[in-house]
Amino acid sequence: GAGVSQTPSNKVTEKGKYVELRCDPISGHTALYWYRQSLGQGPEFLIYFQGTGAADDSGLPNDRFFAVRPEGSVSTLKIQRTERGDSAVYLCASSLKGASGSYTDTQYFGPGTRLTVL
Amino acid sequence: GNSVTQMEGPVTLSEEAFLTINCTYTATGYPSLFWYVQYPGEGLQLLLKATKADDKGSNKGFEATYRKETTSFHLEKGSVQVSDSAVYFCALRGTNAGKSTFGDGTTLTVKP
Repeated sequence: GAGVSQTPSNKVTEKGKYVELRCDPISGHTALYWYRQSLGQGPEFLIYFQGTGAADDSGLPNDRFFAVRPEGSVSTLKIQRTERGDSAVYLCASSLKGASGSYTDTQYFGPGTRLTVL
Repeated sequence: GNSVTQMEGPVTLSEEAFLTINCTYTATGYPSLFWYVQYPGEGLQLLLKATKADDKGSNKGFEATYRKETTSFHLEKGSVQVSDSAVYFCALRGTNAGKSTFGDGTTLTVKP
C-alpha cells in the first residue's frame, strides 16, 4: 500500500516568508508525528497528533511553528517569518496507534521536505 | 529527559567484515529501542526493534540486544555487504510517549 507522502519534496523560500509543509499519512493511522532533521544530526521531535488533537507539542521551537490535522488524516506544518536557521529536512511519520501504552508500534517515515531559507 | 548516544562515525569497512555500532541511552522507565537505516537518497526505515530487556531484535542479518544493565543497544552484523552502506540511527520511545528520541546517526561505508 501507499506509504507516508510529503509535499513538496523541496521548498526554497526567502527569510521572513511563510511556508506550509504537507504530510499525508498511511490510511488508517491515527498517530502522526513531525520531526526536523538538520545536516549531520538525527531527527528531532516537533509535535505529535493523536487523531485531530496535538497530544504533545513540546518540541516546537517557538511560536512561529504551528501544525494542524483538522480531519485526523492530512497534517500541515506551518512556519511563519522563516529564518535561515529553519533550514532542514522536515520529516513526517505515522503509526497505527501511538497512544499511551502503545509505544512499541512502528513509526513509518515519509521521504521528507527539504526546506531552504535564503 | 531521554537521550541517545551513538558511536561517532564515519565507519569504513571492507566487505565481509564484522560490524558493531555502539548505542547507549538514558531514559526513565522501560523504553522501546529501535535501529533505523537511511540508504542514500531514501527515507528513514525501521531496521529492527526490541521492546523489553534482554529482547533481541534482528533483520537482514543485523542484530541488537536490549541490555538494561548497561543501557545499551549495540547494532551488529557478522558480514557486511556493499549494499549495507547507509546512515544508521539508534532511537528510543519512552513509555507513555508517542515521540522518538534519536541519536545523531553513524555513517557506514562498505568497500568491495
